[in-house]
Amino acid sequence: RKEVEQDPGPFNVPEGATVAFNCTYSNSASQSFFWYRQDCRKEPKLLMSVYSSGNEDGRFTAQLNRASQYISLLIRDSKLSDSATYLCVGVNAGNMLTFGGGTRLMVKP
Amino acid sequence: DTGVSQNPRHKITKRGQNVTFRCDPISEHNRLYWYRQTLGQGPEFLTYFQNEAQLEKSRLLSDRFSAERPKGSFSTLEIQRTEQGDSAMYLCASSLGGVTTGELFFGEGSRLTVL
Repeated sequence: RKEVEQDPGPFNVPEGATVAFNCTYSNSASQSFFWYRQDCRKEPKLLMSVYSSGNEDGRFTAQLNRASQYISLLIRDSKLSDSATYLCVGVNAGNMLTFGGGTRLMVKP
Repeated sequence: DTGVSQNPRHKITKRGQNVTFRCDPISEHNRLYWYRQTLGQGPEFLTYFQNEAQLEKSRLLSDRFSAERPKGSFSTLEIQRTEQGDSAMYLCASSLGGVTTGELFFGEGSRLTVL
């Protein structure tokens, strides 16, 4: 079983829609989680951290559910520029960032 | 440009040949990571340096792979006797401090194609 698992998608949504991605993690001891964004043929970049209490950054909201071991990312009012792959990231037992396979989002006009 | 720099950006080689990739991290970053990414997958951890010390290696890193960071600045990743399964994007990342902040700064990667 992979340490971080995501639905690969693609999620095809119209502009202005709200879309949510979940990912599950296996290392119950992991304390830190993140969402990265990767544009086509580009390098991954940190989008936001995921805090236990949930956190919001503009149109983006990240939440952590420790009991069920899943992390979510909610994007409101989707823009064309949100089209990308979203990578869920945890910290493994070796204290290294471990990436999920990514969820692809396509926002259409 | 003060970001992470990788070269070559693309490498096409024949099976059995050796290849070497170079990574120049952000200058003040003491931690350097190598990841591998194949199409449709997320980056997979390969190895990690803190300054010049190689502190962690993934089991994905077979004995054909070797990485160095001789002076704690740039790093090289060498793959000997390449196989078709080595075809992937090799990503280098650097950070200042540990994984608590979660922010690794990635280079644009070196794409390897083994024929």
